[in-house]
Amino acid sequence: AQTVTQSQPEMSVQEAETVTLSCTYDTSESDYYLFWYKQPPSRQMILVIRQEAYKQQNATENRFSVNFQKAAKSFSLKISDSQLGDAAMYFCAYCVGASGTYKYIFGTGTRLKVLA
Amino acid sequence: DAGITQSPRHKVTETGTPVTLRCHQTENHRYMYWYRQDPGHGLRLIHYSYGVKDTDKGEVSDGYSVSRSKTEDFLLTLESATSSQTSVYFCAISGGLRTSKNSGANVLTFGAGSRLTVL
Repeated sequence: AQTVTQSQPEMSVQEAETVTLSCTYDTSESDYYLFWYKQPPSRQMILVIRQEAYKQQNATENRFSVNFQKAAKSFSLKISDSQLGDAAMYFCAYCVGASGTYKYIFGTGTRLKVLA
Repeated sequence: DAGITQSPRHKVTETGTPVTLRCHQTENHRYMYWYRQDPGHGLRLIHYSYGVKDTDKGEVSDGYSVSRSKTEDFLLTLESATSSQTSVYFCAISGGLRTSKNSGANVLTFGAGSRLTVL
């Protein structure tokens, strides 16, 4: 079964500091995609960053970067220079497609608190 | 959100009544999904569709059915609502992972969510 595990239900970080959120996944596939989504109190799901499994280079989007370890099936999110607006639930997700059917599987989420 | 709308946004109903949630998209995306979000469980896939009249079950499909008679609409039906189905329901759409990365279609785009309370 394809699973995504986020072992940190809650994390805190001081404003302007760096925090890393963990994510591991389980799959037998070699071609897949990984995502981090952010859900602020507004409840809207927002894409933070995306990683294609065939790419060895870690994805980066401004203050957000990932550490993708394919052999270890690990996909952590690093937030640098944390801001108050980064406070949200963060979900790791995995997607694989077989015969044109794509399923996106999500982890249980990590709630990030940013302390002023 | 732009291109995807859910209705109703809020609904309170009683146990045993049927409920239908509607997801409407204007992006002409092939893939549509229904998730439920519950504290401690994250987002769990209920059903998804990979084309008109093509649907499949997700991890928590019991008690739910879906229909997709046209590209833009994906309906989620609770035939006989139970209190355990009280949740926030999200619809999401995707053009599939093989579309151009620059188009943004190869990621999951979510609706604003529908809060359902079953008394």
